[in-house]
Order: sequence, then C-alpha cells, then structure tokens
Amino acid sequence: RKEVEQDPGPFNVPEGATVAFNCTYSNSASQSFFWYRQDCRKEPKLLMSVYSSGNEDGRFTAQLNRASQYISLLIRDSKLSDSATYLCVVRSNFGNEKLTFGTGTRLTIIP
Amino acid sequence: EPEVTQTPSHQVTQMGQEVILRCVPISNHLYFYWYRQILGQKVEFLVSFYNNEISEKSEIFDDQFSVERPDGSNFTLKIRSTKLEDSAMYFCASSDPGQNNEAFFGQGTRLTVV
Repeated sequence: RKEVEQDPGPFNVPEGATVAFNCTYSNSASQSFFWYRQDCRKEPKLLMSVYSSGNEDGRFTAQLNRASQYISLLIRDSKLSDSATYLCVVRSNFGNEKLTFGTGTRLTIIP
Repeated sequence: EPEVTQTPSHQVTQMGQEVILRCVPISNHLYFYWYRQILGQKVEFLVSFYNNEISEKSEIFDDQFSVERPDGSNFTLKIRSTKLEDSAMYFCASSDPGQNNEAFFGQGTRLTVV
C-alpha cells in the first residue's frame, strides 16, 4: 500500500464550481498533515496545514479523519488560478522530520 | 520574503560525470533537506540534515550521493557517477521549529543526464 494515496485525476472543473480532493495515508503514527500546491515544473508550495478539528482558509477547507486515516481538501468558487496539482503531504511527527508526498491530483479550471 | 535559492536552475551532464547541486537555505533555518521528483512522478525524500550531520536518509540516498554544508550559508548535494535515471528535478528545502516547522522549498534544479 502506498504511504500517501491520492486520485491522480485529472479533474476538469468549470470556473466557480466546488471541487473536493481526497487522500489516504497508511502510517497511523503520522502526526502532521498538509496540502501543498505545485504548478507545472515549479516547487511545491504550502497551501495549508490540516488540523484535527478541520480548518478553513478563505475558499479552502481541509478536514482530517484520523480513525479512517483520511484527509480532504475542498475548494469553493474555483478560479482559473486554482489550476495546479494538489499534493497531500504527511509527516510522522510535529517536528522537522521528512515530508511524505502523495502523487498529487491535477486540477484544471475551465473558463 | 526570505526564500530558498538553488543553482543552477538547469544542469545537463554526461552519464558517469559528477554534479554538485547548490542551495542557500533561509538564513535562520536549522533543518535542511533534499527531495527529488522524476518527471511525472511524486516528490521523494532523499536526505535531511541538522547540526552538521545527516539526520535521516531514504533508500534512494545511497553511496552515490553526499551532502555537505561547506560554510554558513550553502548546502550542497553531490551526485557521483551520474546515471540516466538520476534525471529529475531536485528540490532543496529548509525549515525551522519557530515557524510551525513549515518546509520552504527552493525553485529546484532540473538535472538532465545524457
């Protein structure tokens, strides 16, 4: 089983729509969870951390279900600039250990 | 805004040659990392470095690879005897406990082995 598993997509979504991504992780000892965004041939950039109680940042909402080892990202009112690959990322502690990346989900927002 | 910088942005090398990829982490960060991403694949951890020594390395990081912090600002990845399959994007990252452990990535070095 992959350490971090995501639907690779692609997701082609009309502008203004809501889109949801899911991710599962295999290591139950994982403590820190993130969504990163990666534009084509660019570096990953942190979109948001994911907290146990769920958290929201503008149009973006992240949820964590530790029992199911499941993470989600919801994007509301999608914009053309949201087109990117969204990476689910897990770390085994709260410190500075390595990040484990999923393969990413490719999102294209259609005008 | 502070950033991680990497040089060169693109390196082409012949198979069997040695390459050195350079990174300047954010100045007050204490943890440094190298990751790689083969085209079309996921980002993979190579090595982490703290307090002037390797703190963790992956199976990928074998004897062909080495890291060094030669001075107070640079962090380098050396790849000896490059192979075709070493062609990838190599990302340097740094983090600091005081910033919620967020890892900041450099823009990457695209290594092409021919």
